[in-house]
Amino acid sequence: NAGVTQTPKFQVLKTGQSMTLQCAQDMNHNSMYWYRQDPGMGLRLIYYSASEGTTDKGEVPNGYNVSRLNKREFSLRLESAAPSQTSVYFCASSELSVGNEQYFGPGTRLTVT
Amino acid sequence: RKEVEQDPGPFNVPEGATVAFNCTYSNSASQSFFWYRQDCRKEPKLLMSVYSSGNEDGRFTAQLNRASQYISLLIRDSKLSDSATYLCVVNLAQDSGYSTLTFGKGTMLLVSP
Repeated sequence: NAGVTQTPKFQVLKTGQSMTLQCAQDMNHNSMYWYRQDPGMGLRLIYYSASEGTTDKGEVPNGYNVSRLNKREFSLRLESAAPSQTSVYFCASSELSVGNEQYFGPGTRLTVT
Repeated sequence: RKEVEQDPGPFNVPEGATVAFNCTYSNSASQSFFWYRQDCRKEPKLLMSVYSSGNEDGRFTAQLNRASQYISLLIRDSKLSDSATYLCVVNLAQDSGYSTLTFGKGTMLLVSP
């Protein structure tokens, strides 16, 4: 099993460009999450999907949209990238969204110039 | 008040030393507690869950004090490979009715020969 996979691993965007970060899990988990991690800020939750068909905002949702495409896949879209969105983005999944342990993907390093 | 607070360190210890980290959390309703480990430029990985009665996994011991709302991690006989950032994690009930995880900013451990 691959666990949680993310694409791309690295990306450089210009201000105003758009892109979608892809995430997939093969553990048959119900819940999926998107985080960003910045130096000195720790992991912050952007959006989560407790189950297929539902999505909810986390701590820092502004500037992002998400789509839970099916049980396996959860994508994160930046419609108009800004330098403040330069960060490392992690996708995670868990069996249920009740505070269960989460399994993380390897991350996407995004730079917006 | 931050949800989960940790001393950022770094803690510099020699191989074989015993080291302890503490963290405090603000939400008295939290029910799930974890320690995650994050290596440089990698994704967080679950180290161990923390149970009310305390629990041990090899050289690692975790304790929970609900009354004082703090969690501890003790590492005995430190190895070079223990060098990493240790994240304290607690669950947080959301308005949606689901629960997500809140991550501390982490404590950096450096083990030297």
